[in-house]
Amino acid sequence: ELKVEQNPLFLSMQEGKNYTIYCNYSTTSDRLYWYRQDPGKSLESLFVLLSNGAVKQEGRLMASLDTKARLSTLHITAAVHDLSATYFCAVVIPAGGTSYGKLTFGQGTILTVHP
Amino acid sequence: DGGITQSPKYLFRKEGQNVTLSCEQNLNHDAMYWYRQDPGQGLRLIYYSQIVNDFQKGDIAEGYSVSREKKESFPLTVTSAQKNPTAFYLCASSIAGPPPFNEQFFGPGTRLTVL
Repeated sequence: ELKVEQNPLFLSMQEGKNYTIYCNYSTTSDRLYWYRQDPGKSLESLFVLLSNGAVKQEGRLMASLDTKARLSTLHITAAVHDLSATYFCAVVIPAGGTSYGKLTFGQGTILTVHP
Repeated sequence: DGGITQSPKYLFRKEGQNVTLSCEQNLNHDAMYWYRQDPGQGLRLIYYSQIVNDFQKGDIAEGYSVSREKKESFPLTVTSAQKNPTAFYLCASSIAGPPPFNEQFFGPGTRLTVL
């Protein structure tokens, strides 16, 4: 059974600081996603990571993937209040050999950025 | 304007009632998915469908039923057998194909409350 664990689950940051969210998963996967969710809202896709060593950056967020360690990181640089949200990683195991796959989510990291 | 719509946004159910949540997409996606989210937790897969007239159970299918009579529609029925249905329900869809093209896109969600 695939397990996906994020840490920390709660993160309170000051504006301007840097921090990293970690996502560990238990079995081999062919892709990993990072999502953002604002309170009461749906999920917004942030990054898709497809291969070992993949690194993607968008604004103050940078995601990386190490498939050998089964670890992904989401690094926040110089946090601002607008980044306050819940961040999820999700890992795919292809379903029945098809390309559809089933997403298994981590518990989510609730990020609060304070002035 | 392409996208995924879910209705209603809020739904209240009495004990013992069946209720149906609607999910429609005009993205011409082959696959559709239903997830459940409980407070402070990640999403868990209820059912998914890769093609019309076919669907598979996810990790928490008990007490739920689905149908896929049209490519655009994947309604979810929460039956009275579901003992704790209060949750946020998210529908998603994706195309067939290699990553990242088969990324799942999420609808706005339906919040179900049992009275």
